[in-house]
Amino acid sequence: NAGVMQNPRHLVRRRGQEARLRCSPMKGHSHVYWYRQLPEEGLKFMVYLQKENIIDESGMPKERFSAEFPKEGPSILRIQQVVRGDSAAYFCASSRDLTNTEAFFGQGTRLTVV
Amino acid sequence: QQQVKQSPQSLIVQKGGISIINCAYENTAFDYFPWYQQFPGKGPALLIAIRPDVSEKKEGRFTISFNKSAKQFSLHIMDSQPGDSATYFCAALTTDSWGKFQFGAGTQVVVTP
Repeated sequence: NAGVMQNPRHLVRRRGQEARLRCSPMKGHSHVYWYRQLPEEGLKFMVYLQKENIIDESGMPKERFSAEFPKEGPSILRIQQVVRGDSAAYFCASSRDLTNTEAFFGQGTRLTVV
Repeated sequence: QQQVKQSPQSLIVQKGGISIINCAYENTAFDYFPWYQQFPGKGPALLIAIRPDVSEKKEGRFTISFNKSAKQFSLHIMDSQPGDSATYFCAALTTDSWGKFQFGAGTQVVVTP
């Protein structure tokens, strides 16, 4: 049973380009969460999604960031017109349902904006 | 605003010693307190977790102590081993805001041989 799969592991983008980060949850998991980790800091919640629904996006910046979790395929975190401050590790986690207390994290995508 | 404050930022302990990491929170609605372990280049992995109806939970060499009145909880790593060298994050959650963990800033633990 594969764990949470994120790709790419490393992503380099020039300022102004778009970044697309993908997350495939664990088999049987329908809840996905995205977190951002800045250097020397803890993880900050960004967004919580279920299939085809955004449940809580209170941690998402209002501009340039969007997330989706389609009926088929991975969850996508999209950052448009990236800036240097977007450089961070982005982690995805998944859980089976709301009664399951454990969230499993992927290995993260390290985004570097040059 | 950091809802969960974690200390120390870093810790060096000798093999066989005890590592102690402390966390404090303000929101009394939090009802689930996990600790995550993260190795370089990896995602956080759940280590141990506690709910506020118990004051202590032990799993192997790892113990969580929970003080509800003080709104504090701590992780004790007994008989620390070099393989325990990692960054440890405390977190807190209200189960009606599922998935929205509030993480501490992390403690980098180095266990020397």
